[in-house]
Amino acid sequence: EAGVTQSPTHLIKTRGQQATLRCSPISGHTSVYWYQQALGLGLQFLLWYDEGEERNRGNFPPRFSGRQFPNYSSELNVNALELEDSALYLCASSFRATGRNTEAFFGQGTRLTVV
Amino acid sequence: AQTVTQSQPEMSVQEAETVTLSCTYDTSESDYYLFWYKQPPSRQMILVIRQEAYKQQNATENRFSVNFQKAAKSFSLKISDSQLGDAAMYFCAYVGGGADGLTFGKGTHLIIQP
Repeated sequence: EAGVTQSPTHLIKTRGQQATLRCSPISGHTSVYWYQQALGLGLQFLLWYDEGEERNRGNFPPRFSGRQFPNYSSELNVNALELEDSALYLCASSFRATGRNTEAFFGQGTRLTVV
Repeated sequence: AQTVTQSQPEMSVQEAETVTLSCTYDTSESDYYLFWYKQPPSRQMILVIRQEAYKQQNATENRFSVNFQKAAKSFSLKISDSQLGDAAMYFCAYVGGGADGLTFGKGTHLIIQP
């Protein structure tokens, strides 16, 4: 069974540009989480999608947005890129049963570098 | 909102020794899951162990075991016979039934001394 896949693996953008990161969850998983992990820091929660809807978002500006498609894959968009957006972006998926999510499985991440 | 606290930013242990990583959490729910994840230098997050809150028995996975104290809201990870490959960041995580999804602690950097 395929795990969580993220693309691209690496992405280099110029300040002010837009970045689009993609995530395909494990088959059967309906929840997708996005996290930002800047160098030397922990996981900062960005967004949580479940069944196509945004369930929660972290303390990030509106230029961080995303969506979840009918096949449960997800896209994270970062507009007006700033140098401090350079980080590893991790996507995770989980299965929601009886009103509660189970453990999350992570992709390998997208390394975004803003120059 | 639930919170997860890891009070040890860094821990160091000699190879073959035992180390315990601490985690506390705050919740008003009675039914939830707790997890420990490992992030080695490759940055791939790996699930180490999980614990269902309704189970009184502590989870074990080979050299990894937890001490789950529900009343104290404590969930520590014990690594026995530490190996060089155990060196990584370890994150404690919580998931309940609410709208907060998966909540992580800030992580503990585990160093294994040869």
